[in-house]
Amino acid sequence: DTAVSQTPKYLVTQMGNDKSIKCEQNLGHDTMYWYKQDSKKFLKIMFSYNNKELIINETVPNRFSPKSPDKAHLNLHINSLELGDSAVYFCASSHTSSDSANEQYFGPGTRLTVT
Amino acid sequence: AQKITQTQPGMFVQEKEAVTLDCTYDTSDPSYGLFWYKQPSSGEMIFLIYQGSYDQQNATEGRYSLNFQKARKSANLVISASQLGDSAMYFCAMRELGNTDKLIFGTGTRLQVFP
Repeated sequence: DTAVSQTPKYLVTQMGNDKSIKCEQNLGHDTMYWYKQDSKKFLKIMFSYNNKELIINETVPNRFSPKSPDKAHLNLHINSLELGDSAVYFCASSHTSSDSANEQYFGPGTRLTVT
Repeated sequence: AQKITQTQPGMFVQEKEAVTLDCTYDTSDPSYGLFWYKQPSSGEMIFLIYQGSYDQQNATEGRYSLNFQKARKSANLVISASQLGDSAMYFCAMRELGNTDKLIFGTGTRLQVFP
């Protein structure tokens, strides 16, 4: 009964390739996110989707394209991978409400290594 | 611009002792939420505790409590009776009330519990 799942857990690929990371949540949440954690462990929001609609795009290069086929899924496609894309990518989900209390539940992360 | 500061890159604590992890924040929004997450060496992000800006009392969750000092804009995490399993990275994060829902994270504190 995994809450937020991501596949794959590890991804090793060469520069210039295109890859996708998939995320699914079974919590009934209506908002999903992608975060990037760099080698220094710093976590930064990339995108968020609410009911399949893009809400946040934090000046991420166009090579990154999120896609939300339904509110339980948010995939991340990355074109023309670069060395600097190596990081851990976390998917997260939450309810949307006017209350700032709704915590985000994170997936296990996908460690992307670009060689 | 909102900002989260964690000034302790690393902390050591002996088993069964209490430890305080510091977090200060900066925001001009009167409504916000503060979160603490734990990231063990296995990599997942685990939600620990939440404090709302209008909450009158400090949040507590088991051995975790939040020392919230609004005037000083600090939200320190207190872990009582430390256990070896508490060794992990700890992240403070903030969410402003609104429709973006994004979390802004601090740089984290690595806690090591020794016997």
